Amino acid sequence: SQQGEEDPQALSIQEGENATMNCSYKTSINNLQWYRQNSGRGLVHLILIRSNEREKHSGRLRVTLDTSKKSSSLLITASRAADTASYFCATDAVMDTGRRALTFGSGTRLQVQP
Amino acid sequence: SQTIHQWPATLVQPVGSPLSLECTVEGTSNPNLYWYRQAAGRGLQLLFYSVGIGQISSEVPQNLSASRPQDRQFILSSKKLLLSDSGFYLCAWSVGVSEGTDTQYFGPGTRLTVL
Repeated sequence: SQQGEEDPQALSIQEGENATMNCSYKTSINNLQWYRQNSGRGLVHLILIRSNEREKHSGRLRVTLDTSKKSSSLLITASRAADTASYFCATDAVMDTGRRALTFGSGTRLQVQP
Repeated sequence: SQTIHQWPATLVQPVGSPLSLECTVEGTSNPNLYWYRQAAGRGLQLLFYSVGIGQISSEVPQNLSASRPQDRQFILSSKKLLLSDSGFYLCAWSVGVSEGTDTQYFGPGTRLTVL
């Protein structure tokens, strides 16, 4: 079963607006990561936030983590058409083999209209 | 710098035919290696991961197998493809000092269509 789930599934905004995507997860984590995927391409790592961190910034990206609510948000400020992509959160979870590995949500498809 | 390669980029195969997808990593040693499958419009499903040569863990019972004949080479195989094997296959690597929960770096993917 998936550990993390993004919300909303799809988001359409105008260039210059901010985009906020949310991720909820079920069990305790060591870290939470956000990735970006352009259509038909591989995933690109954006940012990692550890369980003892509450907020992290990277350029126009801002990630928050609330471990009490088991949720995270990704904010993209001043969006650009080039930000159009799918965004995934990934959390570490214990797999059937007993090892920890990353599990990915279904993603939020962001469309930024020029 | 590290790079990861996957090939082929696209593949169309008939049901019942064999499969071999290859992934290689450059610029790092003893990486953790991963195979994922992504259905259209969905998230990633972890299929296999490896922490070293000849060490493969399977997360989902299925028609596929994986092998790691060299430190930086990861191969996904099938003896007989099923229609349900269609999808976008992604290889990834991470620094091999943890259980694979740190940053992962993905290849460009292989689009497999089984007809």
